Amino acid sequence: EDQVTQSPEALRLQEGESSSLNCSYTVSGLRGLFWYRQDPGKGPEFLFTLYSAGEEKEKERLKATLTKKESFLHITAPKPEDSATYLCAVSGGGADGLTFGKGTHLIIQP
Amino acid sequence: NAGVMQNPRHLVRRRGQEARLRCSPMKGHSHVYWYRQLPEEGLKFMVYLQKENIIDESGMPKERFSAEFPKEGPSILRIQQVVRGDSAAYFCASSEPGQGDSPLHFGNGTRLTVT
Repeated sequence: EDQVTQSPEALRLQEGESSSLNCSYTVSGLRGLFWYRQDPGKGPEFLFTLYSAGEEKEKERLKATLTKKESFLHITAPKPEDSATYLCAVSGGGADGLTFGKGTHLIIQP
Repeated sequence: NAGVMQNPRHLVRRRGQEARLRCSPMKGHSHVYWYRQLPEEGLKFMVYLQKENIIDESGMPKERFSAEFPKEGPSILRIQQVVRGDSAAYFCASSEPGQGDSPLHFGNGTRLTVT
């Protein structure tokens, strides 16, 4: 069974304080690893897809990386508007749909 | 370029009533997924549909829940005889064909409250 574990569950940072969110996964035959951002009362918003170990993707202050066992979402010099829950999900193992982690609730204080 | 549209945004039902949740996928998307999100829990896969076909319903409870995606019109998630434990946020997502590596695009969900 596919498993996705995200850490930490919650993270509070000062504006400008860089950090990383972790996503550990277990899946047979990874087809893709996905990062989403979810704001309160909204649906998940797609950020990145990573397909193979060593791959990196960047968007503004966010950078996602992938190894064979985990993915990191690096956030550089965050701003208060980066506050959200960040979700990691995997596709693979012959299953349809994505398997999601519980997310990291990120708060950026001004 | 409308995204995934879900309605209603909020739905209140008494125990024993039926709930119908609607989802219109993004233009050009033919694959629809339904997920359930409970407080403090991750998104849980329920069902995957293409037009007029249920492809995978392995995440759906065996009783009271059903889903359809007709040739014309939105996808419908139907919950019969709702119970308090059905209270949750239900999200619909759509993707292009080739779903294994295509990202899912989500709507803003329907929040179901059973009283």
